[in-house]
Amino acid sequence: AQSVAQPEDQVNVAEGNPLTVKCTYSVSGNPYLFWYVQYPNRGLQFLLKYITGDNLVKGSYGFEAEFNKSQTSFHLKKPSALVSDSALYFCAVRDGGGATNKLIFGTGTLLAVQP
Amino acid sequence: EPEVTQTPSHQVTQMGQEVILRCVPISNHLYFYWYRQILGQKVEFLVSFYNNEISEKSEIFDDQFSVERPDGSNFTLKIRSTKLEDSAMYFCASTRRGQTNTEAFFGQGTRLTVV
Repeated sequence: AQSVAQPEDQVNVAEGNPLTVKCTYSVSGNPYLFWYVQYPNRGLQFLLKYITGDNLVKGSYGFEAEFNKSQTSFHLKKPSALVSDSALYFCAVRDGGGATNKLIFGTGTLLAVQP
Repeated sequence: EPEVTQTPSHQVTQMGQEVILRCVPISNHLYFYWYRQILGQKVEFLVSFYNNEISEKSEIFDDQFSVERPDGSNFTLKIRSTKLEDSAMYFCASTRRGQTNTEAFFGQGTRLTVV
């Protein structure tokens, strides 16, 4: 069965420093991986996805993610964190084995960026 | 930018009562989903809907749940006799296509509190 794991409940980083939010996956077949962000009182917003091709995927708001097949990881990164990046981040994998390609989510990582 | 909208944002109901959560997916999307997130837990898939019928449902989606697209724009989730454990954030999502490389767009969620 497809699954993703986010090992950190919370990540703290100072504004201006680089940030990494970790995600590892377990899939049978090709991985289709996604990152979503949830700001307070908002829905889940799509950030980026990996389907195939370049291992470094660029997304919204300056975020990028690195796909690493040997480590089965898809870590979210940003070179310079902003206070406004503080939010809940979810990694997800698309379950292509079902009828409708539902998403399977990790538990989420709360990113706190201190000024 | 088109978005998925959900109403109400917060619903409080007494145990045993019926609730209907409403969603308006993006207008040219064809696949519709409900997910839920119990506080502090993962976002979990409930059900997917395509061509006016359920295409996939999870074990959570038992007989007390039903979905409907009554008028071509709204997509509703009905919980017939709510239980305390139904308290959660419910997210509606839609996709233009059902393919694995397609990102889902989510609403802001409805927080259901069963008392």
